[in-house]
Amino acid sequence: QVHLVQSGAEVKKPGASVKVSCRASGYTFTNYYIHWMRQAPGQGPEWMGIINPSGGSPSYAQRFQGRVTMTRDTSTSTVYLELSSLRSEDTAVYYCARSTSDYYYFDYWGQGTLVTVSS
Amino acid sequence: DIVMTQSPDSLAVSLGERATINCKSSQTVLYNSNNKNYLAWYQQKPGQPPKLLIYWASTRESGVPDRFSGSGSGTDFTLTISSLQAEDVAVYYCQQYYSSPPTFGQGTRLEIK
Repeated sequence: QVHLVQSGAEVKKPGASVKVSCRASGYTFTNYYIHWMRQAPGQGPEWMGIINPSGGSPSYAQRFQGRVTMTRDTSTSTVYLELSSLRSEDTAVYYCARSTSDYYYFDYWGQGTLVTVSS
Repeated sequence: DIVMTQSPDSLAVSLGERATINCKSSQTVLYNSNNKNYLAWYQQKPGQPPKLLIYWASTRESGVPDRFSGSGSGTDFTLTISSLQAEDVAVYYCQQYYSSPPTFGQGTRLEIK
């Protein structure tokens, strides 16, 4: 069955960077896009960007441009999210999720990774 | 960006009764060329990721109980739980995928009365 397994919780200081991984299994990795979203307490998910495991450049939400990098490793079916210049408002649970290439609704999600930014 | 607004913010319903959650988009999510509404619904329980319930506004995801149904078109949508069960206590989100970025509503918290 399909699984997206994320790396563990992180605590970072303001100004630092964080890198979260998402390893896919149970399906052909290159047949689906991977999205990253985050969710602050009491809020709905917020879309951060998308990466095509087959190749091509990722696409990022405008508000994260310049601070976010998404990469892939097809040898391990893993995608990565790196967020730099962290501030306290970046404290949230970060999720990876899968969609088809054509329609961006999300049928499988990772378990979530809590990133806490605190001095 | 398309803004998704849900109502109410919270809802308390008795077991076995009907629950109705509304979602309104700031612009249409109906794509005329295929007559499909690019609208999904998710259920999220504490400490878990969102779970896909419905896509194309009314198509139930595999394994989702048939007490969950979606309706609506254009800018106004509804998620209905026909007979509330204890395990349905959760926060529910609508999401549009008509245009990028995909956007979610603020959520509706459903509780037992």
